[in-house]
Amino acid sequence: IQMTQSPSSLSASIGDRVTLTCRASQNITKYLNWIQQRPAKAPKVLIYAASNLQTGVPSRFSGSGSGTDFTLTISNLQPGDFATYYCQQTYSTPPAFGGGTKVEIK
Amino acid sequence: EVQLVESGGGFVQPGGSLRLSCAASGVTFRNYAMSWVRQAPGKGLEWVSTINGGGGNTYFADSVRGRFAISRDNSKNTLFLQMNNLSGEDTAIYYCAKERFFDSGGRDFDFWGQGTLVTVSS
Repeated sequence: IQMTQSPSSLSASIGDRVTLTCRASQNITKYLNWIQQRPAKAPKVLIYAASNLQTGVPSRFSGSGSGTDFTLTISNLQPGDFATYYCQQTYSTPPAFGGGTKVEIK
Repeated sequence: EVQLVESGGGFVQPGGSLRLSCAASGVTFRNYAMSWVRQAPGKGLEWVSTINGGGGNTYFADSVRGRFAISRDNSKNTLFLQMNNLSGEDTAIYYCAKERFFDSGGRDFDFWGQGTLVTVSS
């Protein structure tokens, strides 16, 4: 299963709302996770099973979608949100990652 | 609090071998599958391998199958990755990650280590 993220990068300002998309090459039902990686830091899961917020993750993050098309929305963008975001399917092995979307400060 | 600490990375020549370790704490280690994920410099995340809690089932990416071996010592809460016949394409930060399975199906990697850098070069 191939995972395609768009855009590959975007520029946004503090307080903006941004939407990142992830498309699977085949139906993965709801088995899609969103992962944040800040520069030079380890990855961290934000959303699991398409729409479930990981414990401790701010409610500004939300996920939706099923089947092949998924979105991650970040509301009220904060300084710590500037990072690279990866989607990951866990419907089948290998649990493939998308290429990432880098969110940069405008 | 769950902590995962990788070690064993370093500089190795092409064709060489390296063994990575990942020490886990704050978790009943034997209850969870564990994985290795790598990230080449400036690139995205790539799943490498997974081992189930008991150690009897292992899975590998096509890019490393036959060269890498994953194992674990549940008595020492430690995960290993034996890497053989290394090439420049294996240069990356290697992360270990704990897996979490859901009753409704699917899984995620809910805890990650800080990674250990492997550099393959002559």
